[in-house]
Amino acid sequence: KAGVTQTPRYLIKTRGQQVTLSCSPISGHRSVSWYQQTPGQGLQFLFEYFSETQRNKGNFPGRFSGRQFSNSRSEMNVSTLELGDSALYLCASSLMRGGGDTQYFGPGTRLTVL
Amino acid sequence: AQSVTQLDSQVPVFEEAPVELRCNYSSSVSVYLFWYVQYPNQGLQLLLKYLSGSTLVESINGFEAEFNKSQTSFHLRKPSVHISDTAEYFCAVMDTGFQKLVFGTGTRLLVSP
Repeated sequence: KAGVTQTPRYLIKTRGQQVTLSCSPISGHRSVSWYQQTPGQGLQFLFEYFSETQRNKGNFPGRFSGRQFSNSRSEMNVSTLELGDSALYLCASSLMRGGGDTQYFGPGTRLTVL
Repeated sequence: AQSVTQLDSQVPVFEEAPVELRCNYSSSVSVYLFWYVQYPNQGLQLLLKYLSGSTLVESINGFEAEFNKSQTSFHLRKPSVHISDTAEYFCAVMDTGFQKLVFGTGTRLLVSP
């Protein structure tokens, strides 16, 4: 089975722009979660989607949003980019939610905001 | 809110020596515990996890971790490390019924010959 794929792998944007990142989960997986990884804050949970509905949200401003499509693919959007949004954005998929189901991570999208 | 503490930011060790990476979590309520490994420029890979049952869990590449409820710890150990084990290791906790992982700050394991 193919793993979790994320596109693009690298992005360079300038302050004030917006960006959309894409995640394709492992085939058959229905839950998709997003995490932000930075040297200063470490790994932080952004949000989780299951059956096209956001089920859980982390402590991030409203500039960060996401959605999930009927095929479980997910996108996250960051509007009005700030320098501090530079990070590795990781997507993870799992078969179901709850029960300690393993989250499988993609390679990430590295976003640089200039 | 859950939190995870990894006391050691970096652990240098010689090849074939034993190693222990420490992890403590904040809550004593029912949780699931995970160890993930991250190699440079890659995503996270699951090493092992504890859901219930035996408190000692093992991975296929020789790592093991022991769940200690009274000490709220989930330390990772390996009796003999290899150069290829050089990576960053993250401990994570998940409240039962949720799908959100709370990660520690990571421990960089540096294995030298």
